[in-house]
Amino acid sequence: AQRVTQPEKLLSVFKGAPVELKCNYSYSGSPELFWYVQYSRQRLQLLLRHISRESIKGFTADLNKGETSFHLKKPFAQEEDSAMYYCALLNRDDKIIFGKGTRLHILP
Amino acid sequence: DAGITQSPRHKVTETGTPVTLRCHQTENHRYMYWYRQDPGHGLRLIHYSYGVKDTDKGEVSDGYSVSRSKTEDFLLTLESATSSQTSVYFCAISELQGSGNTIYFGEGSWLTVV
Repeated sequence: AQRVTQPEKLLSVFKGAPVELKCNYSYSGSPELFWYVQYSRQRLQLLLRHISRESIKGFTADLNKGETSFHLKKPFAQEEDSAMYYCALLNRDDKIIFGKGTRLHILP
Repeated sequence: DAGITQSPRHKVTETGTPVTLRCHQTENHRYMYWYRQDPGHGLRLIHYSYGVKDTDKGEVSDGYSVSRSKTEDFLLTLESATSSQTSVYFCAISELQGSGNTIYFGEGSWLTVV
């Protein structure tokens, strides 16, 4: 079965502390993986895709095929990072499968 | 924003009435998607299209139909709206960038069925 799991519905982190949003996937083959961010009542915005291996807004994510994970990390949280974060997988049929999302709340 | 616009952005309708949401794109993307977003469920795929007149069902397609008569427009229709279809609907396109595809979303359509 193809599945994306984000185990935390809500993650509260103090400003300046490290952030890690967990994402695990189930997929037979090489997936294309993404992280999206959604600020209040706005569209989903692409944050990262594993193919490009880039860092956006200080966030990074590494694909770990052995653990089937694609965790999102940031060394120092900022208040503007408060948002909803979705991990997603694009399968070979060009369907996008989303996790249920993690709400990140940055505490002052 | 990959040239995606959704209309209407907000709509309130009565149970049993038909509703059509429109997704319009200006960059000739082949793949288009309709999702609904609900608390506790994340985003769930309703229908998608891989070209003109080529559509397929997603995981929550019951009660919805789609049409794609032109590359630029992907219409989502609720034939007879129900309160369970109150949701935020997002259209998305898939764009090839470099060695992989990237998905971009529209701004969403807030639908309330009373």
